[in-house]
Parts: sequence; structure tokens; C-alpha cells
Amino acid sequence: AQSVAQPEDQVNVAEGNPLTVKCTYSVSGNPYLFWYVQYPNRGLQFLLKYITGDNLVKGSYGFEAEFNKSQTSFHLKKPSALVSDSALYFCAVRPPPSNTGKLIFGQGTTLQVKP
Amino acid sequence: DTAVSQTPKYLVTQMGNDKSIKCEQNLGHDTMYWYKQDSKKFLKIMFSYNNKELIINETVPNRFSPKSPDKAHLNLHINSLELGDSAVYFCASSQERWGTDTQYFGPGTRLTVL
Repeated sequence: AQSVAQPEDQVNVAEGNPLTVKCTYSVSGNPYLFWYVQYPNRGLQFLLKYITGDNLVKGSYGFEAEFNKSQTSFHLKKPSALVSDSALYFCAVRPPPSNTGKLIFGQGTTLQVKP
Repeated sequence: DTAVSQTPKYLVTQMGNDKSIKCEQNLGHDTMYWYKQDSKKFLKIMFSYNNKELIINETVPNRFSPKSPDKAHLNLHINSLELGDSAVYFCASSQERWGTDTQYFGPGTRLTVL
């Protein structure tokens, strides 16, 4: 079955430290990968996506993600965390054939950045 | 100038009632979606329309019926509401139905069934 896993329910980091939010996927073929962020009582905001090309993708608010095909991972990273980055982060995959737009989401990871 | 908007933001109703949630996008996109986010924050797609044509219909009770009067609107009608329907419902849209397109989400409608 096609799926996305975010192995950590919560990630805690100190402000100014680097952060990583992990995501692994299980799909056949070459997937398209996405990261979204959800602030409390808000909708999801798009951060970045991997379609093809360079494995390191840069996105909004200083976030980046690294696609690793051999490890089927797409971890989200930021060099220096801000308290305002505290939110719920979702990894999502669009498995091929991708002619419907269907996204499969991970279960979400809560990022807590402490001052 | 909200890109994807939903009404109402909150909906509290009794079991057995029928209710509708409306979604509108002003991005000029061709494809719209409904997602359900449960109490554990898990997100799952329910439906998708492309140019008023239904292209995704996941395993959803037939009490749920999407309606797309035009490509800028996708409404969700729910009959005979049950306790388990309590969730946050998100509308989203994308330019096309193809894999590379980014989906943009509305603010959500929190449905509480009593």
C-alpha cells in the first residue's frame, strides 16, 4: 500500500538550533513530494515540493528538504529555528500515475521551538 | 483577496441534520478538493473535481455529496449527520489535476455534531 510516515509525533528544538522533521514514503515509481505547515486553527500552507532534478529543494521561510531516493526519504530542514516555526508539519506524496492530484499525507509532526 | 475561502468557519449541529459547507477559490484553478482532518489531525482526501467533473471519490459514505456549480466553487453537502462526522473539513484547489501542481488550502470548517 502507498503510504507516508512521519516517525516523530513531536520534535523539540531550541531557538537558533538546526531542525529536522523526518518523512519517509512507500510508493512505487517516482513520486512527487510536498511539505505543508499548519498553524493552530489555520489551513495548510505550502512550504516546498520535490518534482525532479536537484535533490535539495528550497522553500518558504528558510526551509529546505532533501530527497533521498535510496532511503525513500524527504526530510525537512532549517539551519536555525525560530519560535514562530512552532506548528504542525505534514509531509505528503503524490504517487504515480499522478493524473488526479491525489495527495497522501503523513500523520503530522508537531514542531516545538523553545526560546 | 482570500485565495480559497470556506463558509462557515464553525458549524455546530445535531445528529440527523443535513448541512452544507461552501468553498470558493479566486485563483482561476481548474481542480478543487475536499479533505477531512480527524481529531488526531490525520488528513484524508474525500473528493476532487476538475472543471466540474468528479475525478476522485474516495471511500466516503454516500451521505456526503459534493456539488460543483462551476469550477470556482465546490460545495459539500452532508445528510443525516452522525457523531463520527465531527472533524475539520478543508477545501483546496490546484491549477490542474496533474502531479506537479501545488494544492492551496482554505482555512477549514470545524464541524461538531452533537
